[in-house]
Amino acid sequence: DTGVSQDPRHKITKRGQNVTFRCDPISEHNRLYWYRQTLGQGPEFLTYFQNEAQLEKSRLLSDRFSAERPKGSFSTLEIQRTEQGDSAMYLCASSLSYHEQYFGPGTRLTVT
Amino acid sequence: RKEVEQDPGPFNVPEGATVAFNCTYSNSASQSFFWYRQDCRKEPKLLMSVYSSGNEDGRFTAQLNRASQYISLLIRDSKLSDSATYLCVVETGGGSQGNLIFGKGTKLSVKP
Repeated sequence: DTGVSQDPRHKITKRGQNVTFRCDPISEHNRLYWYRQTLGQGPEFLTYFQNEAQLEKSRLLSDRFSAERPKGSFSTLEIQRTEQGDSAMYLCASSLSYHEQYFGPGTRLTVT
Repeated sequence: RKEVEQDPGPFNVPEGATVAFNCTYSNSASQSFFWYRQDCRKEPKLLMSVYSSGNEDGRFTAQLNRASQYISLLIRDSKLSDSATYLCVVETGGGSQGNLIFGKGTKLSVKP
């Protein structure tokens, strides 16, 4: 097991509701990444943190999405006013170096 | 042109076969390259990094051709356990960001 944990593993929500996901990285890793993956596609980068600073956000990250990493450890990803198009697997990854990222098991979101 | 393109697959091969996956990338400034493996409904896991000189890890050999912006993965003596989706991954140009661009993946199915 890589050591990155995510919670919840599955979330079913109705359109228009807000959801929040949590990611706990490998403890000594200073970088934390969020990706989204839909069926038949590779993961798509959303955003990443170095310690508590959010250094980059993808254009995929609309205003309804917000991510935080307040103490440089765990991170949360919130989606407001969910839409059916938000249904996907949300993956978190962490790294110590620039490159070797270890992924968590993901949170599967279904918006009905 | 998509940033990272892979063979569409799926590849269905018998045990013991040799199989090769190809990948091209569009950003000539990309610095780092990887192959990840993803099992069905699981998170991606790093299989190997890809270096300009080529590198080998047991039955797996990765090659990089910067001039052609081309990456390959060769699997020799395929095992049933090699069945998975193989993701070609490129670190975005600039080196300082570390976010990864994934291809769609190529599905490999090794049959007895």
